[in-house]
Amino acid sequence: NAGVTQTPKFRILKIGQSMTLQCTQDMNHNYMYWYRQDPGMGLKLIYYSVGAGITDKGEVPNGYNVSRSTTEDFPLRLELAAPSQTSVYFCASSPSELAGGDQYFGPGTRLLVL
Amino acid sequence: AQSVTQPDIHITVSEGASLELRCNYSYGATPYLFWYVQSPGQGLQLLLKYFSGDTLVQGIKGFEAEFKRSQSSFNLRKPSVHWSDAAEYFCAVAPHTGTASKLTFGTGTRLQVTL
Repeated sequence: NAGVTQTPKFRILKIGQSMTLQCTQDMNHNYMYWYRQDPGMGLKLIYYSVGAGITDKGEVPNGYNVSRSTTEDFPLRLELAAPSQTSVYFCASSPSELAGGDQYFGPGTRLLVL
Repeated sequence: AQSVTQPDIHITVSEGASLELRCNYSYGATPYLFWYVQSPGQGLQLLLKYFSGDTLVQGIKGFEAEFKRSQSSFNLRKPSVHWSDAAEYFCAVAPHTGTASKLTFGTGTRLQVTL
């Protein structure tokens, strides 16, 4: 089983460039999440989705956008990359509301903005 | 606002020794509690979780955790550490209420295992 897959694994961006981080899950989970992990810090929630067509902001949404057109895919868009967005980004999914549901994480995308 | 504190940034133990990783939370009511492990270059994997009931919960890979309401703690333990347990460990909490409850993570404890 593939689980949660993320592409690319690593990317270097110049300031002001844009890119989309891809996330796909094959477990038919309704809930999907995007986190960022900065060095020495825990994960912080950027955006989440409770199903296709429904998204909402997490703790640190500024500078990012998401969409959820299908159950499987939950891409994260950076419109104008800034050095503060240098981080490791993790996508996760869960089968239900967190109570009783577990989050399954992808391997991460390491992003460097110069 | 809820918060999670993992007071130990880095811990080193010998293989075969016992392990305890500390986690304290701040929240108005008892939240849902989780421990995740992150191996180098990998995503997080759920070790165990506490929702209610028995305060001692068993997880995968021989880990267990005990919820202590009076101390607002949820410490992770393992009786005998293996070299493959070297990783970063994150404690996380989520509120009981609301849909798609969002996890709040601690800053993590990096475990090093010496042979």
